[in-house]
Amino acid sequence: NAGVMQNPRHLVRRRGQEARLRCSPMKGHSHVYWYRQLPEEGLKFMVYLQKENIIDESGMPKERFSAEFPKEGPSILRIQQVVRGDSAAYFCASSPREDIQYFGAGTRLSVL
Amino acid sequence: AQSVAQPEDQVNVAEGNPLTVKCTYSVSGNPYLFWYVQYPNRGLQFLLKYITGDNLVKGSYGFEAEFNKSQTSFHLKKPSALVSDSALYFCAVRDPRGSSGAGSYQLTFGKGTKLSVIP
Repeated sequence: NAGVMQNPRHLVRRRGQEARLRCSPMKGHSHVYWYRQLPEEGLKFMVYLQKENIIDESGMPKERFSAEFPKEGPSILRIQQVVRGDSAAYFCASSPREDIQYFGAGTRLSVL
Repeated sequence: AQSVAQPEDQVNVAEGNPLTVKCTYSVSGNPYLFWYVQYPNRGLQFLLKYITGDNLVKGSYGFEAEFNKSQTSFHLKKPSALVSDSALYFCAVRDPRGSSGAGSYQLTFGKGTKLSVIP
C-alpha cells in the first residue's frame, strides 16, 4: 500500500505565477488535509476535504488559495498569483476516517 | 481554541541515555494527542497517539509517552537514545469533537523540538 504521494517535491515559481500542488491519498482514505510549514515553525492547518466536499477551510487564506478533491484523481491545492510569502513546505495528509493522519513528503514551494 | 506548547526548541542527549521531549496542551474536553517525527526534507511520520485508556502509551521505535491530565502534558520518552533518533519532533492535539463545529479533525501542532543524540 503506497503512502501519501505528493508532487512535485520541489516547485519554483516567479511572483505572479500559479502553483498547483497535488496529493494522492493512501488507498482507501477519503479524508485529506493540507498543512503549511514555514521555516522554523510547526505545521499550520489550511483545509480539510472529503471526496468532492470542502469540510473546513478555516485555515486557508481567503484570497488566491483554493483546494479541491474531485471524485476521481488527486487533491489539488492551487495558489494563484504567488508572492514571496507563499514560500513554504506544503504537506498533505490522509486518513480513513477521523483517525491517524498519514503525511506525504511535502512540496517545497520557492517563489522568486 | 486548542493549542500545543513545546517549551524546548532543542534537546541534546548522549547516546544510551534516556530522553524526554516535553509537550503541554490546551483543549476543551478530553484531548486526542499525537507525536510525529520529521527527518530532514521528509514528511511527518506517526509515532504514537493517546485517545483514551492507559496513561502510558507505547509507540514506534521504542518511544512512549505519558498522558498527565492534571498537568495537561504529554511528554515523549525513550529509555535509551540512539543517534538515529536525531530529528525534529512534533506534538499535536485534536479536539475529539472536531474543531470549529464543522466536524473537522484538524491537528494543531507545536513548533517542534529538535532532538540531537550525541555519540
